[in-house]
Amino acid sequence: QSVLTQPPSVSAAPGQKVTISCSGSSSNIGNNYVSWYQQLPGTAPKLLIYENNKRPSGIPDRFSGSKSGTSATLGITGLQTGDEADYYCGAWDSSLSAGVFGGGTKLAVL
Amino acid sequence: EVHLVESGGGLVKPGGSLRLSCAASGFSFSTYCMNWVRQAPGKGLEWVSSISRTGGDIFHADSVKGRFTISRDNVKNTLYLQMNSLRAEDTAVYFCAREGPQDTGDLDYWGQGTLVTVSS
Repeated sequence: QSVLTQPPSVSAAPGQKVTISCSGSSSNIGNNYVSWYQQLPGTAPKLLIYENNKRPSGIPDRFSGSKSGTSATLGITGLQTGDEADYYCGAWDSSLSAGVFGGGTKLAVL
Repeated sequence: EVHLVESGGGLVKPGGSLRLSCAASGFSFSTYCMNWVRQAPGKGLEWVSSISRTGGDIFHADSVKGRFTISRDNVKNTLYLQMNSLRAEDTAVYFCAREGPQDTGDLDYWGQGTLVTVSS
């Protein structure tokens, strides 16, 4: 059971928009930054969003992040088949003194 | 260009030990916090350990506390994970990851991972 809660899967058609939620608590999302990672099949995770809503250089603006209270959301617009991957949210948990991840969300672009 | 290359994985019997290494290049290793993250076959990401720039602050997940030890050598630009008393549930790909420069918890660069299999 992951400390952060994500839906197991989401799907949408090419060109459409999808959002992935990440729910936590005051000890993690509520008082610390959230980051989002994309993991394509057979590869290492890649940072998509850091500090709740910032994109590293090279990440297209189709990817966005937001945070409200103890929840965070990853948004992806203009879906492409190449976006099919597992997406994970992550944060530091101040009570556990540990990093925590969501269980991951598999995105299908149908 | 930032490169993180893990090594040291392999097959080990339950109760055995293994030391993973992560060779870093392309950045000033001593100025970044570093982490280990693992992924069991077909499962999600699990944070394992983190270490501060000087090695003075160390954190471990409860699942590995007392068995695993993270360390670093800032002269050799290498991160380590000493794994003792290994269990079947430690079977996973182990990634080393650099923490972003602002120390806000994001992991901005990852290695390709090294597979650890614990089985008799």
